[in-house]
Amino acid sequence: QKEVEQNSGPLSVPEGAIASLNCTYSDRGSQSFFWYRQYSGKSPELIMFIYSNGDKEDGRFTAQLNKASQYVSLLIRDSQPSDSATYLCAVNKYRSGGYQKVTFGTGTKLQVIP
Amino acid sequence: DVKVTQSSRYLVKRTGEKVFLECVQDMDHENMFWYRQDPGLGLRLIYFSYDVKMKEKGDIPEGYSVSREKKERFSLILESASTNQTSMYLCASSFLEGSSPLHFGNGTRLTVT
Repeated sequence: QKEVEQNSGPLSVPEGAIASLNCTYSDRGSQSFFWYRQYSGKSPELIMFIYSNGDKEDGRFTAQLNKASQYVSLLIRDSQPSDSATYLCAVNKYRSGGYQKVTFGTGTKLQVIP
Repeated sequence: DVKVTQSSRYLVKRTGEKVFLECVQDMDHENMFWYRQDPGLGLRLIYFSYDVKMKEKGDIPEGYSVSREKKERFSLILESASTNQTSMYLCASSFLEGSSPLHFGNGTRLTVT
């Protein structure tokens, strides 16, 4: 079982629709969760992070976390063609003294159709 | 704004060469990381460092070594480059606090021929 799993896609949504991206993780000790967006040929850029159960909203983006189900999701409202990219889910496990292991999923490719 | 700078955007090296990839961050981050990214495999952690002269192996350290002599600089070394090390290499940094997100450099596309 992969530590962090995402559907590779592509996920195609029409412009203006809601895009829903999902991620599951295997380590129950994971403590914080990140969503990164990566355009083709570019490096990942942070969109959101969440570490408490529930929803966290930032503009058109909402991150949802359910630790009991080991499930993280990202909703993008009013999707735009510029949102077309690969979205990476990352899971962080850390211990005192600085050890921080961040594991990435392989990403979901999102295509927003004009 | 956090700036993580990788010294080269593209590199072409020959098999057997010793290769140095350099990364510098300007945010006084304690943690620094080296990942490689390959199609279908995602980002895989090679090494990370949480302090000067400290390092920890990631998931795929074989064939690589690292050096962190100063807090802002983290170097990845390919002792004897091989064709299976052709990849995109990404450096990242973060604060020591466990929930701190990673900030990435622009990446180095390394081709070993």
